[in-house]
Amino acid sequence: KQEVTQIPAALSVPEGENLVLNCSFTDSAIYNLQWFRQDPGKGLTSLLLIQSSQREQTSGRLNASLDKSSGRSTLYIAASQPGDSATYLCAVQGNMLTFGGGTRLMVKP
Amino acid sequence: DGGITQSPKYLFRKEGQNVTLSCEQNLNHDAMYWYRQDPGQGLRLIYYSQIVNDFQKGDIAEGYSVSREKKESFPLTVTSAQKNPTAFYLCASRRGQGFPGELFFGEGSRLTVL
Repeated sequence: KQEVTQIPAALSVPEGENLVLNCSFTDSAIYNLQWFRQDPGKGLTSLLLIQSSQREQTSGRLNASLDKSSGRSTLYIAASQPGDSATYLCAVQGNMLTFGGGTRLMVKP
Repeated sequence: DGGITQSPKYLFRKEGQNVTLSCEQNLNHDAMYWYRQDPGQGLRLIYYSQIVNDFQKGDIAEGYSVSREKKESFPLTVTSAQKNPTAFYLCASRRGQGFPGELFFGEGSRLTVL
């Protein structure tokens, strides 16, 4: 059974810092991995989708990488802003879709 | 604009009542999903449907029911048999044919049992 872990569970950084969020998974037989953002009381917003054949995807200040062999993905956020404060979740698509528990990010002005 | 619409956003229910949460999408997606989110527990799959008139139980289907009579609509009924229904409910959809694609979510419905 696929297990997805996100570490750390919470992170607080000053504005302007570059940061990395981690997602690890136990079964490397995946189709894709997706990163989401969730603001309090809201739905999930898709940030990036990485297919299993890809190594990384970029969107603006966000860069997500995928290393299937080691069961890891990272979400890199450049020049963080207070508006980036949210919970970030990764989801791994194998036979079923499995979500990580999320990383709660706070960017302080 | 294409997207997923969930309603109502907030719902209060008395114990013993059934309630239905609406989920409508205009993305022409085949696959639709219902998740439940509780603090500290992440997202858990309730039901999913890959095609009209067909649906499958997820990890926590007990006390819930669904229907899929139209491609655009996937309503979730929370029955009185659900022992702890207070939660945040999220509907999602994606293109279901062939290779699994990007998953899109609605804004959620928060159900509170009084």
